[in-house]
Amino acid sequence: VQLVESGGGVVQPGGSLRLSCEASRFMFNDFWMHWVRQAPGKGLVWVSRIDPHGRVTDYAASVEGRFTISRDNAKNTLYLQMNSLRVEDTAVYYCVTESADLWGRGTLVTVSS
Amino acid sequence: DIVMTQSPVSLSVTPGEPASISCRSTQSLQHVDGKDYLDWFLQKPGQSPQLLIYLASNRASGVPERFSGSRSGTVFTLKISRVEAEDVGVYYCMQGLQAPWTFGQGTKVDLK
Repeated sequence: VQLVESGGGVVQPGGSLRLSCEASRFMFNDFWMHWVRQAPGKGLVWVSRIDPHGRVTDYAASVEGRFTISRDNAKNTLYLQMNSLRVEDTAVYYCVTESADLWGRGTLVTVSS
Repeated sequence: DIVMTQSPVSLSVTPGEPASISCRSTQSLQHVDGKDYLDWFLQKPGQSPQLLIYLASNRASGVPERFSGSRSGTVFTLKISRVEAEDVGVYYCMQGLQAPWTFGQGTKVDLK
């Protein structure tokens, strides 16, 4: 049972990235899924969540209107489309199950000119 | 948003001695189902957070019995009965009652 994030990297301010989180060996389709981020040396901050069907989404105020969460249940994959990136979005991004008992290893996003 | 205030910021503990971390929420974390939606995590150096305690007082799978969680009003407490070397890292509380999930600031635990 695991979650594996990918898609991180270095991007300039104003740029875009799409993160992916592939789930394996659990009933991905049944669960709400979340993104949580952690800036270097800082604490944990919730970013977004999506319901099992992909119809209901919520966002932190700091990313509302810039980030879009989605999922493809046929591919057992969660996504986070990040647009208009800012320096303060620099962080490790984790995907997490609703029960918070399964976290990925995270993918590092660095926004820098 | 629910604010979680965690204390202390850091804790230095002698191996074999107990340790306690508190987390105060700005409102009740009790759901209509009667359960308190408060989790505790440990983030070991270089690793992802791992769930220790869920619903305030339930140990997650594989978590040693020396870890326990409790609630008094809106104050939640994580106790380690006898700290071991593998317990070093940063501990976080988190409320999962409502979006946005919100976390405490973290408590860094190291060994004396």
